[in-house]
Amino acid sequence: GENVEQHPSTLSVQEGDSAVIKCTYSDSASNYFPWYKQELGKRPQLIIDIRSNVGEKKDQRIAVTLNKTAKHFSLHITETQPEDSAVYFCAATSVYNQGGKLIFGQGTELSVKP
Amino acid sequence: NAGVTQTPKFQVLKTGQSMTLQCAQDMNHNSMYWYRQDPGMGLRLIYYSASEGTTDKGEVPNGYNVSRLNKREFSLRLESAAPSQTSVYFCASSEPAGLITDTQYFGPGTRLTVL
Repeated sequence: GENVEQHPSTLSVQEGDSAVIKCTYSDSASNYFPWYKQELGKRPQLIIDIRSNVGEKKDQRIAVTLNKTAKHFSLHITETQPEDSAVYFCAATSVYNQGGKLIFGQGTELSVKP
Repeated sequence: NAGVTQTPKFQVLKTGQSMTLQCAQDMNHNSMYWYRQDPGMGLRLIYYSASEGTTDKGEVPNGYNVSRLNKREFSLRLESAAPSQTSVYFCASSEPAGLITDTQYFGPGTRLTVL
């Protein structure tokens, strides 16, 4: 089955710096890659996603890139702010997974220091 | 719309006790999911229901059972709780359109402690 590895597990940056989180996946049939943000004590919420027919997607300060050949995808956050501090999860799924079930990475705890 | 709701928010059980976690969604979604979240382990899928009337095992189904009561409700039952089931449990729902996977919306979670 699908396996998703996420790195790093913790990341500390200064406010205004960029942050990059990387994920690799094992199933070459995977075609949907969402990123979720979870603030302390809250539920995970989708922040951006990318499908396998696209190499890059941006939404203001957040971007995701996908390299299908290498089977990895990355989350880029520019001009980080203290409110970006949270745990970020990547996930992957294949069109063949009935019901749209996702396999999540282990999470990255991002800390943005003022 | 309330989105995805879960009850209870917190629960403490003794080893061997049973309980049912309730989940409901008002977005008319076909698919629903149960995850557990443990430190350093991410979100692991316990069971899911692709549509009303169907349920399937996820990554970590042992010790759990589920019931898709109707399109809105999906419950998770622990028949004989064990300390290893201490975790935060999240329910989620989504509306896959055919073969196109869509956003999953999560409930607020249930924090369960088994002593």
